[in-house]
Amino acid sequence: DQQVKQNSPSLSVQEGRISILNCDYTNSMFDYFLWYKKYPAEGPTFLISISSIKDKNEDGRFTVFLNKSAKHLSLHIVPSQPGDSAVYFCGAINRDDKIIFGKGTRLHILP
Amino acid sequence: GAGVSQTPSNKVTEKGKYVELRCDPISGHTALYWYRQSLGQGPEFLIYFQGTGAADDSGLPNDRFFAVRPEGSVSTLKIQRTERGDSAVYLCASSPLAAGTDTQYFGPGTRLTVL
Repeated sequence: DQQVKQNSPSLSVQEGRISILNCDYTNSMFDYFLWYKKYPAEGPTFLISISSIKDKNEDGRFTVFLNKSAKHLSLHIVPSQPGDSAVYFCGAINRDDKIIFGKGTRLHILP
Repeated sequence: GAGVSQTPSNKVTEKGKYVELRCDPISGHTALYWYRQSLGQGPEFLIYFQGTGAADDSGLPNDRFFAVRPEGSVSTLKIQRTERGDSAVYLCASSPLAAGTDTQYFGPGTRLTVL
């Protein structure tokens, strides 16, 4: 039973537009959420995080929104750039330190 | 500074063989994690070390899998009697503290192929 779900396996976005990646979770005990980005043949790299006590966190072009009542979070990238093409993993932590990851969404930025 | 390194980068073995995968965490990081990523899946937690001790090994799939971190730095993931289903990318991550909110820094992974 997947606790963290990324229902879109892939997403294509025009360069310069906004990319929105979605993530749903089932465990209301999660208290910290993260987004990781992965290029081929590399390990995931940390992108941005949000605590469950917040509903928004922004870092440059990246913003994560958390809707606890809907158990939903999203990552917004604006403007999208070619280097943003990668697989994005949503992850959640519930005090025991291990990250529960979704299956990932492959983002393609189109020229 | 150096990031998390993992060796070998690729390992091909035959069914039934024993393999060891090594992880060198970032210097000074007390927490170390092993994850496994199968094709089309996200990384799945295997085991977490705080210092030398395994604080949580609930993700190890069965007793063929074992991991050690004898000096609180380098860790080795050991797989006995490998099976084809063990084929995956094995990822190691480290973080400076184990507070659940510290960023985990991942290595590039070891791609294990069991023939």
